[in-house]
Amino acid sequence: SYELTQPPSVSVSPGQTARITCSADALAKQYVYWYQQKPGQAPVVLIYKDVERPSGIPERFSGSSSETTGTLTISGVQAEDEADYYCQSADISGTYVFGTGTKVTVL
Amino acid sequence: QVTLRESGPALVKPTQTLTLTCTFSGFSLTTNKMCVSWIRQPPGKALEWLARIDWDDDKYYSTSLRARLTISKDTSKNQVVLRMSDMDPADTATYYCARVVLVNELGYFDYWGLGTPVTVSS
Repeated sequence: SYELTQPPSVSVSPGQTARITCSADALAKQYVYWYQQKPGQAPVVLIYKDVERPSGIPERFSGSSSETTGTLTISGVQAEDEADYYCQSADISGTYVFGTGTKVTVL
Repeated sequence: QVTLRESGPALVKPTQTLTLTCTFSGFSLTTNKMCVSWIRQPPGKALEWLARIDWDDDKYYSTSLRARLTISKDTSKNQVVLRMSDMDPADTATYYCARVVLVNELGYFDYWGLGTPVTVSS
């Protein structure tokens, strides 16, 4: 089955840069999207169409993508960025797939 | 202002059918390109997409759960209903509905409900 693999956890000090990868055998020529989820809350979209940022999302969140890997970068991490992060794309049959999730801990 | 709210039973027994309702406002499922999806998240686990219904009544389902899912809409009530049959304890999860932004016929989820927790237990 099609899977999007993320590192289970990333630890980063405040002010440093965190990078979260989302890997697949092939991204099926679909865009990668990124969500942030804080405990007890619904996910919030951070990045759409690989690199676009919705209004209201801080500029420290950015995205990039290659044929097999999408990357979310958080520059100048803040304590409030501690959360779970999920990538999302689609498989070749045209259904939605979420990544395995990454817990970001701010030290 | 777009809002979505899930409702349904908090507890169902194994083999029963779960019926969840998503009541939304701020958009209409009669509008071209509007879609609503259901997504679930077992405790401590990742998100899993379940189903989508479109403005034109097209329906799409998770490949692995297709046989157990039915999605429908009532545009007069601004509601989307998901039915999942033959519930199992492994279906214990928080169930979310979300609005879909179509991109290349798929896209992403821009507004989410708060989610409704469902436990499957006898």
